Amino acid sequence: DTGVSQDPRHKITKRGQNVTFRCDPISEHNRLYWYRQTLGQGPEFLTYFQNEAQLEKSRLLSDRFSAERPKGSFSTLEIQRTEQGDSAMYLCASTGLAGRGEQFFGPGTRLTVL
Amino acid sequence: LAKTTQPISMDSYEGQEVNITCSHNNIATNDYITWYQQFPSQGPRFIIQGYKTKVTNEVASLFIPADRKSSTLSLPRVSLSDTAVYYCLVGDTGGFKTIFGAGTRLFVKA
Repeated sequence: DTGVSQDPRHKITKRGQNVTFRCDPISEHNRLYWYRQTLGQGPEFLTYFQNEAQLEKSRLLSDRFSAERPKGSFSTLEIQRTEQGDSAMYLCASTGLAGRGEQFFGPGTRLTVL
Repeated sequence: LAKTTQPISMDSYEGQEVNITCSHNNIATNDYITWYQQFPSQGPRFIIQGYKTKVTNEVASLFIPADRKSSTLSLPRVSLSDTAVYYCLVGDTGGFKTIFGAGTRLFVKA
């Protein structure tokens, strides 16, 4: 296992379209996080899964955003009716229950909404 | 969640030791202090974590005074490749909500 992977790495879409991103965490990790990061800012927490259960959602996650982790393994983040303000880097991270809570981040998906 | 305050940016030269201080006046008893490093177009990478006193690993040291209201990340003998953004986070490692601030932009010059 080489770490957290995300797909696609880049996505360009037109305003109003739906997009879906995928995150594959480190295989033995049962905690998975999604973040959004805009230029010059730190990552902003969006949502968190423990196994398949979504335990927390940020108020940043509007009704147009939905995340799933159906079998407690990979996760998807969907944005419906994209807006230009959704343009950002979307980061996924995972961690195990044991240990220090160190989060392992993927390379991110850069979304550009035209 | 405890809020953290860090300098926005710092400059250094190759070979120098760099110390980045983070203030977290409202740190809770169960909170740990964690530092991440982020290069452009990459996700953050864990550097070091501590609860009190001093922690050292192969890349950095973390100094935490007795009152735990601040912490200092120390990078010995920085190189150009240490140019990055460094984030200080405070929270319970068993918790799930992680708050990143804007971080400290370190620029290492030749």
